[in-house]
Amino acid sequence: GESVGLHLPTLSVQEGDNSIINCAYSNSASDYFIWYKQESGKGPQFIIDIRSNMDKRQGQRVTVLLNKTVKHLSLQIAATQPGDSAVYFCAEPWVGYGGSQGNLIFGKGTKLSVKP
Amino acid sequence: SAVISQKPSRDICQRGTSLTIQCQVDSQVTMMFWYRQQPGQSLTLIATANQGSEATYESGFVIDKFPISRPNLTFSTLTVSNMSPEDSSIYLCSVVVRGSDEKLFFGSGTQLSVL
Repeated sequence: GESVGLHLPTLSVQEGDNSIINCAYSNSASDYFIWYKQESGKGPQFIIDIRSNMDKRQGQRVTVLLNKTVKHLSLQIAATQPGDSAVYFCAEPWVGYGGSQGNLIFGKGTKLSVKP
Repeated sequence: SAVISQKPSRDICQRGTSLTIQCQVDSQVTMMFWYRQQPGQSLTLIATANQGSEATYESGFVIDKFPISRPNLTFSTLTVSNMSPEDSSIYLCSVVVRGSDEKLFFGSGTQLSVL
């Protein structure tokens, strides 16, 4: 089955509220995770990454939390803005035999809609 | 990061024809890849574009259907051959930029519709 997946396909939030997008993974050996944002008609844009030796990493208005015990990570967006409306993907490198360096396994994606 | 330019941005093609997509990067890159994103789906790696040699294809993708060239460090093409409606997807070029700590960056994609 798919290694990386998302709990919710859609998320609707009010402008100014905080958003939380969740992701589960199944491979306990996974040691690196990335969040991408994909706006309509554009390619995925790197947001933030985290390595397994960390539990939390903060960027500008975004925080990624990693819970290795339950194999779960989340992306938190503070003070969500209309410009945050997009599909968000979590991804991890495929660690199987023969996997290419650029072979990221992407989750199904969560569509975030921000209501003004 | 890098500026990754893909051409065309979108196209509508007839069944049985072929389309070549170009990817140009403005920075020195260590690796280039081609991904496919089927409608409403996530991304799947097609192949790694190797400079001056044959591309490395992932399971389920073959050279005859998706020939790839990479004549230099910053340019690559992907051809979608003998197209069918099932090939309707977004095709994305992605790169690892030298000095970027191995982060993967994506172009804006080519939206292909096959009639």
